[in-house]
Amino acid sequence: TQLLEQSPQFLSIQEGENLTVYCNSSSVFSSLQWYRQEPGEGPVLLVTVVTGGEVKKLKRLTFQFGDARKDSSLHITAAQPGDTGLYLCAGLTGNQFYFGTGTSLTVIP
Amino acid sequence: ETGVTQSPTHLIKTRGQQVTLRCSSQSGHNTVSWYQQALGQGPQFIFQYYREEENGRGNFPPRFSGLQFPNYSSELNVNALELDDSALYLCASRRGGGSSYNEQFFGPGTRLTVL
Repeated sequence: TQLLEQSPQFLSIQEGENLTVYCNSSSVFSSLQWYRQEPGEGPVLLVTVVTGGEVKKLKRLTFQFGDARKDSSLHITAAQPGDTGLYLCAGLTGNQFYFGTGTSLTVIP
Repeated sequence: ETGVTQSPTHLIKTRGQQVTLRCSSQSGHNTVSWYQQALGQGPQFIFQYYREEENGRGNFPPRFSGLQFPNYSSELNVNALELDDSALYLCASRRGGGSSYNEQFFGPGTRLTVL
């Protein structure tokens, strides 16, 4: 069972374009994390958001946690080929993390 | 500070066999979670150990079992392997085991292929 749905599932864009990935649920999470994963490797933590409405920026990446702590978004400005990968959101509820379905991003030079 | 490590990196087994995967948690972390990830999909939670006891389990059959040792390293055991068990198995560790906010960090994974 996937508590978190991500959209889009696949995204292929040109270098320099902007994009937004969405992570939605009907469940409330005490915190939410975003990861980037490359083929054959484990997910690498990008950010953790905790407070409803919180916005965090990491260079060209902007993360937002919904006011009700049920959804989140990741916005990338001026995408670069190095941003290519599988982006995963994961929400913490109780003492367990639940992962989203994933968004596979390809940035074409 | 040493990160999360997993062994082996790759493994090939045949249907019906048993397998043991190992994970060393990051220094200072007492909680270990195991995930199964099919290609191109998000990780699915298998179970979690906190201070040597299982304190959470996902929708996986009993032939998936685990252990956590006093040094907080962990094992995932899968009996009677099936073709659908082929996947990347990920281990993640973090501090704490209750509902408090904390961050988890992943190992590189073990790629299991069942023939």
